[in-house]
Amino acid sequence: DVKVTQSSRYLVKRTGEKVFLECVQDMDHENMFWYRQDPGLGLRLIYFSYDVKMKEKGDIPEGYSVSREKKERFSLILESASTNQTSMYLCASLSQYSPLHFGNGTRLTVT
Amino acid sequence: KNEVEQSPQNLTAQEGEFITINCSYSVGISALHWLQQHPGGGIVSLFMLSSGKKKHGRLIATINIQEKHSSLHITASHPRDSAVYICAVRPYNNNDMRFGAGTRLTVKP
Repeated sequence: DVKVTQSSRYLVKRTGEKVFLECVQDMDHENMFWYRQDPGLGLRLIYFSYDVKMKEKGDIPEGYSVSREKKERFSLILESASTNQTSMYLCASLSQYSPLHFGNGTRLTVT
Repeated sequence: KNEVEQSPQNLTAQEGEFITINCSYSVGISALHWLQQHPGGGIVSLFMLSSGKKKHGRLIATINIQEKHSSLHITASHPRDSAVYICAVRPYNNNDMRFGAGTRLTVKP
């Protein structure tokens, strides 16, 4: 069974801090995604990666960056956290022949 | 206009009712996914479809590629089916996914 693991379930950070959200998948999927989920706005794509060291901007990349140095790991970085980045962050992975798999999410609060 | 439209947005049913949730999309796709999210819970994959019909327990998913339409059916609905159901498509020649806004289903005992 595919497992997508996000490093933290809950995170509280201060404005201006650099924040790292880590995601690891164990099924050798090429594609990995970072989304944020906010009430009434659904899932919005921040960044995705289709291969090691490859990344593509999603719909709302501003204020975020990503890193994919190894196939199984996709990191989301908030360079300087702001209160409007308080949200639920979801990582997902996908290959051509597999269903979309999500991690359990990280609820980030920026104060 | 969103590339993936779901209907209805909200649905309330009595336990035992047959439920249908619809998804229409406007792009060519390689696959369509149905996802489920319980209140406060994570998102789980129910089905991945590229043609025809799939069944898992009381859940049935169908897709009509020519009409760019998919339906998710729940037979003999139960309060534990109460969740948000999300349709997502993977466009051709694209590594991204496009999501519908979700359908919030409430099944009353």
